[in-house]
Amino acid sequence: GAGVSQSPSNKVTEKGKDVELRCDPISGHTALYWYRQSLGQGLEFLIYFQGNSAPDKSGLPSDRFSAERTGGSVSTLTIQRTQQEDSAVYLCASSTRLAGVTDTQYFGPGTRLTVL
Amino acid sequence: AQSVSQHNHHVILSEAASLELGCNYSYGGTVNLFWYVQYPGQHLQLLLKYFSGDPLVKGIKGFEAEFIKSKFSFNLRKPSVQWSDTAEYFCAVRLSGNTGKLIFGQGTTLQVKP
Repeated sequence: GAGVSQSPSNKVTEKGKDVELRCDPISGHTALYWYRQSLGQGLEFLIYFQGNSAPDKSGLPSDRFSAERTGGSVSTLTIQRTQQEDSAVYLCASSTRLAGVTDTQYFGPGTRLTVL
Repeated sequence: AQSVSQHNHHVILSEAASLELGCNYSYGGTVNLFWYVQYPGQHLQLLLKYFSGDPLVKGIKGFEAEFIKSKFSFNLRKPSVQWSDTAEYFCAVRLSGNTGKLIFGQGTTLQVKP
């Protein structure tokens, strides 16, 4: 079946603008994760969804970052008042979850965000 | 805080050479371990994983990794690399009883010369 998809693939924005990044997980995957890949910081966890709720938001770097998930499927990561340090590749991953344990995470292609 | 360390940041090998990439983690409890690969222009793909059982795990494309609990290590190996193995390799750890989030190492860039 189809893998994890993300849109847009590239986003260039001006400092101070808001951006929305979208993730479509693999059908049937109840767990969804957002990560950020940036130079010097590597791959960092941002937020975890189980269904529509987010029991772990510990990786969100500031209150400018928020995310939601609707219908147990699509998720949107919103960055308000973007800063240059927000420039990175934002990755989404999804997995199944059985008996309280998440399985292997499958990653999307990412959204490359550039803040000018 | 839990962390994952990949000792080699950039490795250059000739084709047919053997490969070993180091990965160590700092966590005393039960872990699941992963190696992901990112080929140029492509997204992260799972190479292999260890959950339990035989500590020697075989993955795709001839890769294998060995979990040594006493050393907190999960090194990746391949007996003979190919030019197509040129990629960035990431070791990742998932803690037991956790939300499933992965803690990644900094990555190792492997360049294989033809």
